[in-house]
Amino acid sequence: AQSVTQLGSHVSVSEGALVLLRCNYSSSVPPYLFWYVQYPNQGLQLLLKYTTGATLVKGINGFEAEFKKSETSFHLTKPSAHMSDAAEYFCAVTSWKYGNKLVFGAGTILRVKS
Amino acid sequence: DVKVTQSSRYLVKRTGEKVFLECVQDMDHENMFWYRQDPGLGLRLIYFSYDVKMKEKGDIPEGYSVSREKKERFSLILESASTNQTSMYLCASSTTRATGEQYFGPGTRLTVT
Repeated sequence: AQSVTQLGSHVSVSEGALVLLRCNYSSSVPPYLFWYVQYPNQGLQLLLKYTTGATLVKGINGFEAEFKKSETSFHLTKPSAHMSDAAEYFCAVTSWKYGNKLVFGAGTILRVKS
Repeated sequence: DVKVTQSSRYLVKRTGEKVFLECVQDMDHENMFWYRQDPGLGLRLIYFSYDVKMKEKGDIPEGYSVSREKKERFSLILESASTNQTSMYLCASSTTRATGEQYFGPGTRLTVT
């Protein structure tokens, strides 16, 4: 079985500050990891994903995440927050064993203060 | 541009009614999914389909059924709606590759009174 834990249901940062959203996963097989973003009243949109290869993954809107197998983590970062980053962020996991069935974390709501 | 559409953005139904939520994708994807989204619980998989007329239960199938008669269309059915089915319902589609992205519709917010 697989699972995802997102630490912090709400994160608040000032505009221009570092964004760090935490995700830890559990998987008995090599994982594929995803971050999705959901803006108000919209569906989810893929930010970035890790499958194999380079462990530092760059995504859209200046976000990146690093896969750390030893820590079973896939934290999402952005050097400088923008007001438009305010949204809910979901970490998700799957693997070759589970096809394209994703297991999602509970989500983290990011608030950006001016 | 890829697109997943859902038949309604907002829906209000009464307890006991039969409810149909429709989802259509235009990307010729094999896989389609129905999720339920509740605050603090993230997205939970209700059902998914990997081919026409093929379906598999997800984590919370109780009280729901699905239909996939055509590749582009995947329907979620609440046989007898209950108040605990008040939620946001999201449809998604993808290719069969495990590394593939899921594309999401805008969601249907269902209220059962």
